[in-house]
Amino acid sequence: DQQVKQNSPSLSVQEGRISILNCDYTNSMFDYFLWYKKYPAEGPTFLISISSIKDKNEDGRFTVFLNKSAKHLSLHIVPSQPGDSAVYFCAAKSGGGADGLTFGKGTHLIIQP
Amino acid sequence: NAGVMQNPRHLVRRRGQEARLRCSPMKGHSHVYWYRQLPEEGLKFMVYLQKENIIDESGMPKERFSAEFPKEGPSILRIQQVVRGDSAAYFCASSPSHAGLNTEAFFGQGTRLTVV
Repeated sequence: DQQVKQNSPSLSVQEGRISILNCDYTNSMFDYFLWYKKYPAEGPTFLISISSIKDKNEDGRFTVFLNKSAKHLSLHIVPSQPGDSAVYFCAAKSGGGADGLTFGKGTHLIIQP
Repeated sequence: NAGVMQNPRHLVRRRGQEARLRCSPMKGHSHVYWYRQLPEEGLKFMVYLQKENIIDESGMPKERFSAEFPKEGPSILRIQQVVRGDSAAYFCASSPSHAGLNTEAFFGQGTRLTVV
């Protein structure tokens, strides 16, 4: 039973346009959400996070939106750049503690020139 | 300022052998997490350790798998009598000693285990 779902295995976006990656979750106890970026043969690197008390967090070209009522979050990348091509994982945890993360299956973002 | 170090990067084992995966957390980090990624899947939480203590092993298979984080030295994930289904990428992550606030974990580059 997947508690964090990324329903798009891949997404292709033109360079300079906006990339929107989506994530849904089922566990209402989740209160902290993170996005990680992963290149082949490397470990995930942290990108941006959001606490459930917020509905938006912005860091440079990256913005994460959280809709708690819909149990949905999205990552916006604008403008998209070739170096953004990677697999993006949505992750969540509950309780504000140091517990392990629950990950989605990832979305492979491909930025086309 | 080294990141999370995992070794070996690649490990090949025959069925029935033991696999030992090592993880040195970032300096100042006392929380270590192990995750497994099967092909075409996301990362699955296995175990969370602090120095000399297993805090949460709810994601760890009950048999053949064990983990430790001794007072001195790296964290070790041990898989005994490996089977083909254990072939996966194993990632270690660490977070600061004051984790408990909403801090992110930093990942190592992973160990790719292949069981032949």
